[in-house]
Amino acid sequence: DAGVTQSPTHLIKTRGQQVTLRCSPKSGHDTVSWYQQALGQGPQFIFQYYEEEERQRGNFPDRFSGHQFPNYSSELNVNALLLGDSALYLCASSLALGAGGELFFGEGSRLTVL
Amino acid sequence: AQSVTQLGSHVSVSEGALVLLRCNYSSSVPPYLFWYVQYPNQGLQLLLKYTSAATLVKGINGFEAEFKKSETSFHLTKPSAHMSDAAEYFCAVSDPGYSTLTFGKGTMLLVSP
Repeated sequence: DAGVTQSPTHLIKTRGQQVTLRCSPKSGHDTVSWYQQALGQGPQFIFQYYEEEERQRGNFPDRFSGHQFPNYSSELNVNALLLGDSALYLCASSLALGAGGELFFGEGSRLTVL
Repeated sequence: AQSVTQLGSHVSVSEGALVLLRCNYSSSVPPYLFWYVQYPNQGLQLLLKYTSAATLVKGINGFEAEFKKSETSFHLTKPSAHMSDAAEYFCAVSDPGYSTLTFGKGTMLLVSP
């Protein structure tokens, strides 16, 4: 049973560029959440998608946007990259109902902005 | 609003010694609480979770945690540290309705021979 998979694993961009990160949830999961983990910090919640809609959003600017596809996979897009966007971006999947709120995480996409 | 405070950004123990990582939470609703472990350059792996059943929760790799409502704490313990336990540990509180987690800043566990 494949867990949460993310791509790419590493990427380097320059300020002002745009980036798209991708996530496939664990089999059977219908909800995808994205987290940003800056160096030396805990993960911070960006947003969550369920039934192809953004269901909740953390304290991130509109430059951060996402999408969920009918097969439950998801993308995170960041426009007008800033140096401070350099971080590990983690995708997590879960079930909308039940499972005690447990999230399953991928290994992340490490973004470096120069 | 929910929040988590992890006391100590770094904890050092000797191999075979007791491991104690501290976590205090704030939540306006009955919380679900989690401990995750992160090894270098990897994602997060669930160690254990509290979801309002037994207050003493046992997890993987010999770890356990006790939910104490009166102290708003959920400290993580392991009786005997192993070199392979060296990693960063995150405590998190969940909003059960939406499965979103609020994490602490993490505690790096260092294990010396």
